[in-house]
Order: sequence, then C-alpha cells, then structure tokens
Amino acid sequence: DIQMTQSPSSLSASVGDRVTITCRASQSISNYLNWYQQKLGKAPELLIYAASNLQGGVPSRFSGSGSGTDFTLTISSLQPEDFATYYCQQSYTTLRTFGQGTKLEIK
Amino acid sequence: EVQLVESGGGLVKPGGSLRLSCAASGFTFSNAWLTWVRQAPGKGLEWVGRIKSKTDGGTIDYAAPVNGRFTISRDDSKNTLYLQMKSLKTEDTAVYYCTTDRVGGVGAYFDWWGQGTLVTVSS
Repeated sequence: DIQMTQSPSSLSASVGDRVTITCRASQSISNYLNWYQQKLGKAPELLIYAASNLQGGVPSRFSGSGSGTDFTLTISSLQPEDFATYYCQQSYTTLRTFGQGTKLEIK
Repeated sequence: EVQLVESGGGLVKPGGSLRLSCAASGFTFSNAWLTWVRQAPGKGLEWVGRIKSKTDGGTIDYAAPVNGRFTISRDDSKNTLYLQMKSLKTEDTAVYYCTTDRVGGVGAYFDWWGQGTLVTVSS
C-alpha cells in the first residue's frame, strides 16, 4: 500500500497568513494526488485534483503543486472559513489512501 | 444538483450486521464509479471500497480490513449504492460516506460526497 504522510499534523495561523501543507507519498504517484477540506461535523469537499487543478467553485487562494512523491497545498491568504482539516489522497492505486490530515487552527 | 444521501446507520453489537444505503440523484448513476469512505470518531479518512460502473466491468475492490466481511453493491434502477456489513467489530465504528469516484485522464478523485451515516459497534 502507498503511505501518505502530511506535515505538519496541526498548524496555527492568522487570517491573512500564507500557509503551506506538505504531503509525501511512500512511492512515486506521478500527479495522482488530490486535496480535500473537511470542516467540523461535515463531509470532506474536494479542493484540488491531479495535484494542481482547482475544483470548480474553489477560491483561487488555494493552489497545489508537486509530482512524484512530494506535494504541497498552499493557501495564499487565509480567510476565516479556511480553518478546517485538510487531507491529501492518492489515486495512483486502486486502494486510494489518505494522509492523516492537517488541522489548521486560528492563532 | 448532485445529491448523495446515506441511510441505515445505527447501533449494532459486535458480530452483528448492518446494511447502509446511498440514494443518488443529479447525475447519471449507472455511469458512475462509487466509493465508500469511513471516518472513525476523531480520526482521519479511510477508503473502504469501490464499485465500478457495469459498463466498465462492475469490478469491486475492498480495503484489507473489511475484505470478506463487507459487500458493496449497486442497483442502477434505483440509483442506489449499498454497503452490506457483516461480522462487525468495534473498530468498524465510524461515519460512513458514499462518494462519486470520478475517473479520467488526470487520475481519479472523489468529487461529490454524502453527509455520512454513523455506525456504532458496541455491546
């Protein structure tokens, strides 16, 4: 199974900050990497697919990059509604594994 | 508007069974690949299994922890996805989400999610 490791596991930041979350795969997954946002008590929502493609309706302050084993999710200027948990997920194999999540909290 | 609505969750004893349903609307259900994802309380997301469309062979794959105990099926005439769970264990306690598994030239991703249904396995 491909293991996905996110860092950091939690992060405190302020409104307006630029934030970067990293996701590393245990083997190369090309660009088959997706990012999801989950707010407390809600279902996850797709933010970015195929490493860098913004899902429709997602604000442009979100961006993704990377290929192979190392990927990043960047939020250019944090908004109050962005405080949530973020998950990366690989679709290189049938067994679609997720990272453990990064909880983004208000400083 | 795409909607996925799960139902069937509840409290069940270890060793028991439960069947979850996911009623879909707003897209061509028969063409869709569909996935179950679960989330234990306070934990991260875990892929449970996926069923392809019949036109793509209808293949079903499962995660190792549920293989042999869980069965995914679909009824395209009812636009409904199912998850039959047997021999339930306390570690199966989770919110279960159904998702659409969109597959294309840029890989695959879960673009629509239901609201989830809670399954609690406890004596």
